Amino acid sequence: QKEVEQNSGPLSVPEGAIASLNCTYSDRGSQSFFWYRQYSGKSPELIMFIYSNGDKEDGRFTAQLNKASQYVSLLIRDSQPSDSATYLCAVNEDNAGKSTFGDGTTLTVKP
Amino acid sequence: DVKVTQSSRYLVKRTGEKVFLECVQDMDHENMFWYRQDPGLGLRLIYFSYDVKMKEKGDIPEGYSVSREKKERFSLILESASTNQTSMYLCASSYSPSTGTRSSYEQYFGPGTRLTVT
Repeated sequence: QKEVEQNSGPLSVPEGAIASLNCTYSDRGSQSFFWYRQYSGKSPELIMFIYSNGDKEDGRFTAQLNKASQYVSLLIRDSQPSDSATYLCAVNEDNAGKSTFGDGTTLTVKP
Repeated sequence: DVKVTQSSRYLVKRTGEKVFLECVQDMDHENMFWYRQDPGLGLRLIYFSYDVKMKEKGDIPEGYSVSREKKERFSLILESASTNQTSMYLCASSYSPSTGTRSSYEQYFGPGTRLTVT
């Protein structure tokens, strides 16, 4: 079983809708959680990080973490065509600089 | 502005050649990473380095070696390139957890090198 699993996608939503991206992880010692966005032909860039249980909001993006369920999600409100990309979930063990990445979920926002 | 640069965007090499991929960061980061990214297989860690001259194997180190002689530079070496090493190679860097705050764990990626081995 892969250590970090993301919903396989692809995910397609209409413009203005909420996109929900999910990620589960297997290591209960994991402490840091990241969402990266990767446009086609480009390298990943960080959009959100979260360490504490609950929600963290940044503009149209909300990251949600539930350590008991070993689950982290990313919600994108008012989705725009420019949000169309692959979203990578990454998980760090405590005090480790190394991340384990999921395979990514490809999101398409249709105008 | 944060910057990670890689020596080439596109590279074509022949089977058996020795290949050097170079990565330079200007953020004084302790950690540097080499990944390869293939369709359907995600981002896989080849090697990482947490200090000058220090290195650790990642998930797929076979067929690769690395060198970190200076803090800002991390090189990936394919000793004898093979066709199954055709891939997108991504370099990244980050602060060390021991020196930064938790928010410093994020990785900054270079633009990538698309390597084709024929």
